[in-house]
Amino acid sequence: NAGVTQTPKFQVLKTGQSMTLQCAQDMNHNSMYWYRQDPGMGLRLIYYSASEGTTDKGEVPNGYNVSRLNKREFSLRLESAAPSQTSVYFCASSEVGGGAAEQYFGPGTRLTVT
Amino acid sequence: GDSVTQMEGPVTLSEEAFLTINCTYTATGYPSLFWYVQYPGEGLQLLLKATKADDKGSNKGFEATYRKETTSFHLEKGSVQVSDSAVYFCALSDRSDYKLSFGAGTTVTVRA
Repeated sequence: NAGVTQTPKFQVLKTGQSMTLQCAQDMNHNSMYWYRQDPGMGLRLIYYSASEGTTDKGEVPNGYNVSRLNKREFSLRLESAAPSQTSVYFCASSEVGGGAAEQYFGPGTRLTVT
Repeated sequence: GDSVTQMEGPVTLSEEAFLTINCTYTATGYPSLFWYVQYPGEGLQLLLKATKADDKGSNKGFEATYRKETTSFHLEKGSVQVSDSAVYFCALSDRSDYKLSFGAGTTVTVRA
């Protein structure tokens, strides 16, 4: 099992460019999440998908869109990148939401917007 | 809303020292509590969890007890190793939704 995979691992964008971060999981989990990690702020939830076909905003959704393509894949799109979106992005998945169930994390994408 | 507060780092220790990282939480319901660990250059991994009051989670020599009366979930290890150098995150999940709330993280460095 690969677990949760993310592509790309690193990306540099110029202000105003767009890109899509890809995430896939092979654990047959229902729920998937996108977080950003910034120094001193822990992880903050951007968007999540409780099940295939549904998506909801998290704590910091502005400037992002998501697509739950199928049960395995959950992508995050930046339509017009801004320097404030420089961060490390993590995708995660879990079996039955976040209640008492463990979330499994991907290795992250380090994004720099200049 | 729900929130987690954990002690600020960085924390630097010598090998075989005792480690404590304090974590307190605010939640309206009865959350599940977690400690995650992030090794350099990697994603987060679950270290341990507890789902109800007085539960003790343990893994790899680390322990934490869910204390409802003090709304705390402090992480402890009796004898740290260099390989324990990492960032540690306390987190909670309200049972009514699907989301984790994370603390800011505590960077721990263990020196030989």
